[in-house]
Amino acid sequence: DTGVSQNPRHKITKRGQNVTFRCDPISEHNRLYWYRQTLGQGPEFLTYFQNEAQLEKSRLLSDRFSAERPKGSFSTLEIQRTEQGDSAMYLCASSSLGEGRPWNTGELFFGEGSRLTVL
Amino acid sequence: AQSVTQLGSHVSVSEGALVLLRCNYSSSVPPYLFWYVQYPNQGLQLLLKYTSAATLVKGINGFEAEFKKSETSFHLTKPSAHMSDAAEYFCAVSLGYGGSQGNLIFGKGTKLSVKP
Repeated sequence: DTGVSQNPRHKITKRGQNVTFRCDPISEHNRLYWYRQTLGQGPEFLTYFQNEAQLEKSRLLSDRFSAERPKGSFSTLEIQRTEQGDSAMYLCASSSLGEGRPWNTGELFFGEGSRLTVL
Repeated sequence: AQSVTQLGSHVSVSEGALVLLRCNYSSSVPPYLFWYVQYPNQGLQLLLKYTSAATLVKGINGFEAEFKKSETSFHLTKPSAHMSDAAEYFCAVSLGYGGSQGNLIFGKGTKLSVKP
């Protein structure tokens, strides 16, 4: 399977602990996105990378959140000092920049998500 | 600012009946519009997209959507529902050119149930 892979799929942690999620995108994709999805809501954008550069961060991404994509391949999303409000599904997606188009054509390929439960 | 509104968080239809899922958008620039589907315990999959070409867009699994600028709508339809269509459907708008170029704005989703 060469789709987007996310690990771990489920994480239960206690409030105040740090957690890290990993995303392996489709290998030839140069863009990688993180979204958060809570119950009854659609995915909410957190941040995205083009290669190793983090080009945009949402206001949802507080200073307790940090994302990296050090070599332009896999990415990690770390949440420090978790709070109960951080409980959500964290989705990763990747895409390939369209030729001649600097903008997102919308064909995002999503992983199955990493579900975080903060007790 | 761009936004998406999906009318109806739950829609229930009988097998073989018409499926109509509503989506209205707000965008200050010509939008790119998308429908994604999420089956239980799976990632989101692209159903179809509108990128300023034909206003009637055909997607996978017999779904189609029509872009109506005058109504700022992009409703999703399928003539005959199948049990396998039961899933959650998300409408999304891309900020595209002229604005933030990185992300999609999603609606809250519509859960489709199909009764036998």
